[in-house]
Amino acid sequence: DIQMTQSPSSLSASVGDRVTITCQASQDISNSLNWYQQKAGKAPKLLIYVASYLETGVPSRISGSGSGTRFTFTISSLQPEDVATYYCQQFHNLSGLTFGGGTKVEIK
Amino acid sequence: EVYLVESGGALLKPGGSLRLSCVASGFSFNTAWMSWVRQAPGKGLEWVGRIKSKSDGGTADYAAPVKGRFTISRDDSENTVYLQMDNLKSEDTAVYFCTLSPGGQFGYWGQGTLVTVSS
Repeated sequence: DIQMTQSPSSLSASVGDRVTITCQASQDISNSLNWYQQKAGKAPKLLIYVASYLETGVPSRISGSGSGTRFTFTISSLQPEDVATYYCQQFHNLSGLTFGGGTKVEIK
Repeated sequence: EVYLVESGGALLKPGGSLRLSCVASGFSFNTAWMSWVRQAPGKGLEWVGRIKSKSDGGTADYAAPVKGRFTISRDDSENTVYLQMDNLKSEDTAVYFCTLSPGGQFGYWGQGTLVTVSS
């Protein structure tokens, strides 16, 4: 299976700060990567697909980039409503989909 | 609008069996690939398995921890996908989400149903 390593596992930042999360794949997955947001007690929500495409309705302060084995998720200006856990997920191997371990984002 | 509603979660003992159901609406179910994703208490997301549409072969793939114990099936006449779980272990304790998963994206999720395996 393709392993996805996310870092950091948690972070605390101030409102307005730029926040960056990294996801590293154990092998080249091209751009076969999605990002999800999960708020406490809720189902996850797809934010970014195919590494950099914003799902409809997702605010433009959120972006994704990367290809191959290294990917980045960025919130350009952290807002209180962004408090959540974020997960990356690869779909290079459609018979063995895998998630990263998650990054918990809090407000300082 | 897409709706996915899971049911069937329960408390049961190790070695037991359980079938979860997910009723779908708001999209063309018979052409959809459907997945199950689970989340153990306080832990991250784990893909369980996926079933293709019948037009794409109707086959299912599973994550290693559940392969041979879990079976995903579908009834297109009822817009329902099932997860049959056998020989349950304590580590299968989780909230189980049904998802619509075209092209490897989990675009829509149900609210989840809790399965607890404990002696």
